[in-house]
Amino acid sequence: ETVMTQSPATLSVSPGERATLSCRASQSISSNLAWYQHKPGQAPRLLIYGASTRTPGIPARFSGSGSGTEFTLTISSLQSEDFAVYFCQQYNYLITFGRGTRLEIK
Amino acid sequence: EVQLLDSGGGLVQPGGSLRLSCAASGFAFSSYAMSWVRQAPGKGLEWVCGVAGGPDSTWYADSVKGRFTISRDNSKNTLYLQMNSLRAEDTAVYYCAKGSLPYCTGVLCYEFDYWGPGTLVTVSS
Repeated sequence: ETVMTQSPATLSVSPGERATLSCRASQSISSNLAWYQHKPGQAPRLLIYGASTRTPGIPARFSGSGSGTEFTLTISSLQSEDFAVYFCQQYNYLITFGRGTRLEIK
Repeated sequence: EVQLLDSGGGLVQPGGSLRLSCAASGFAFSSYAMSWVRQAPGKGLEWVCGVAGGPDSTWYADSVKGRFTISRDNSKNTLYLQMNSLRAEDTAVYYCAKGSLPYCTGVLCYEFDYWGPGTLVTVSS
């Protein structure tokens, strides 16, 4: 099983600032990585797939990068609606998820 | 507009059964893989099982193999999850999710481009 490790578990950032979230795979997954935003009581929302391709309708302030085992989701200027939990998912070897990073208002 | 509406959750005793449903609309349901993903309290997401679009091909996590059965009725645009021999550790919010592709190619699978809002399953006496 490919284990996905996200860090930090919780990130406190002020609105308008940049947030950088990390996801590490236990083995190389090429660029077969997705990022999701999840708010309480709502369906998770796909933000990024292929490590860096934004889903249509996702604001440009969301960007993904990385390949192999190290990946990053960057939110360039945090808006109030961005405070949520973010999950990464690899699909190179079946499907596994990270445990998530909770992005909270500082 | 793609919509997934999962339902059927509730409180069930250990050893009991429950069937979840997911009504899909807004896309060619039979052409895409569908899955159930769960999140136990305080835990991360776990891919529970999946079914391919078109010819039936299914996959199960070891934790549910032999107890859960995923199926789809393409004529009703509905995904199902029959859960038997339920255990306390099956307590979770269960989400149905649409794969971006019809099936996995070997072990190379897909991201989930749409999800349902989730249905809570509680296994407790």
